[in-house]
Amino acid sequence: AQRVTQPEKLLSVFKGAPVELKCNYSYSGSPELFWYVQYSRQRLQLLLRHISRESIKGFTADLNKGETSFHLKKPFAQEEDSAMYYCALRGSTLGRLYFGRGTQLTVWP
Amino acid sequence: GAGVSQSPSNKVTEKGKDVELRCDPISGHTALYWYRQSLGQGLEFLIYFQGNSAPDKSGLPSDRFSAERTGGSVSTLTIQRTQQEDSAVYLCASSLGPGTEYFGPGTRLTVT
Repeated sequence: AQRVTQPEKLLSVFKGAPVELKCNYSYSGSPELFWYVQYSRQRLQLLLRHISRESIKGFTADLNKGETSFHLKKPFAQEEDSAMYYCALRGSTLGRLYFGRGTQLTVWP
Repeated sequence: GAGVSQSPSNKVTEKGKDVELRCDPISGHTALYWYRQSLGQGLEFLIYFQGNSAPDKSGLPSDRFSAERTGGSVSTLTIQRTQQEDSAVYLCASSLGPGTEYFGPGTRLTVT
């Protein structure tokens, strides 16, 4: 069965410190992985997707099929990165997303 | 349009009442999704519409929940005989293709 696990509900770092938000998944085929972000009082929005292999707002995420992980990383966290982050999986080109429970990131000044 | 819109933004209802939540997707988007966001539960899939295909209702938690999409555009999520555990933020999203979902602001439902 498809499952997305984000082991940390809360994560706090200081400004300028590296940050890594963990995401592990289970899926029998070749999934598409995403990170979504929700800033305070804003809509949920796509941050990045693994097939794009791009860096958005300094964040990157590499799909590790061996470890079934898709951790989100940023070398130098900023206060404006404070938000709720959701890892998500799609098992087919169309259809629903499977979301993790989210990690609330707080970046302290 | 500016994006996906949802109404009402907030809804407080008494246990046992029926509620209707509305979603206006981005014009031309063929796919429409409903999710539920609860504290500690993350985002829970409810239902998915794609064009004229039969909807994927596999996420609806009980037969008190139903949804329709009229004319391939506006969607209404109906919850009958609401229960306190239905309290959550209900999110709608639409997309033109895979991986391009745009989410609405949500409807916060409180069942008292």
